[in-house]
Amino acid sequence: GAGVSQTPSNKVTEKGKYVELRCDPISGHTALYWYRQSLGQGPEFLIYFQGTGAADDSGLPNDRFFAVRPEGSVSTLKIQRTERGDSAVYLCASSTSLADEQYFGPGTRLTVT
Amino acid sequence: GQNIDQPTEMTATEGAIVQINCTYQTSGFNGLFWYQQHAGEAPTFLSYNVLDGLEEKGRFSSFLSRSKGYSYLLLKELQMKDSASYLCAVVDSNYQLIWGAGTKLIIKP
Repeated sequence: GAGVSQTPSNKVTEKGKYVELRCDPISGHTALYWYRQSLGQGPEFLIYFQGTGAADDSGLPNDRFFAVRPEGSVSTLKIQRTERGDSAVYLCASSTSLADEQYFGPGTRLTVT
Repeated sequence: GQNIDQPTEMTATEGAIVQINCTYQTSGFNGLFWYQQHAGEAPTFLSYNVLDGLEEKGRFSSFLSRSKGYSYLLLKELQMKDSASYLCAVVDSNYQLIWGAGTKLIIKP
């Protein structure tokens, strides 16, 4: 079956611009997670959704970051006024429920110039 | 604070056995995962432990001791394709996954 998909695969943007990253989870998975990963590091938790609601957004670094999942399926991570420090691979994962195995998408590589 | 420790890098020989250790200090415990991540790719699931003991799955085994806050991943009959980073992650009391930085495993012929 189809796995987790993310678009775009690569995004280059200028400092100060707004970007949206999209995640399409595995059908039927109620839990959806956003992480970002820098080279040589493990994934850094940003936010997770259980259904449509953000169950835990404590990992979002500041108010420039926001994520939505309006219909409990596709999610969009939104970054305003991007900074060079936002450059990383943004990973999305989904699972059938909390604490279950997470299936990861291929990631979006964001580069802020 | 919450902390996951694992070695940064390990080297092993093709056909041999390697053990990658992980120690953790987290607020609560609801299971421990091991993931494999090849360079430039997303992590893929290897194993899950929630009770003490050894879980075996083919060439890979994972061990957990909750009282010691310790786990290891054992890889047998190493193949060149096993060269990757191995990530340890713990599910805390809030059901959030806390990740280690990963262990880069280099396999030499």
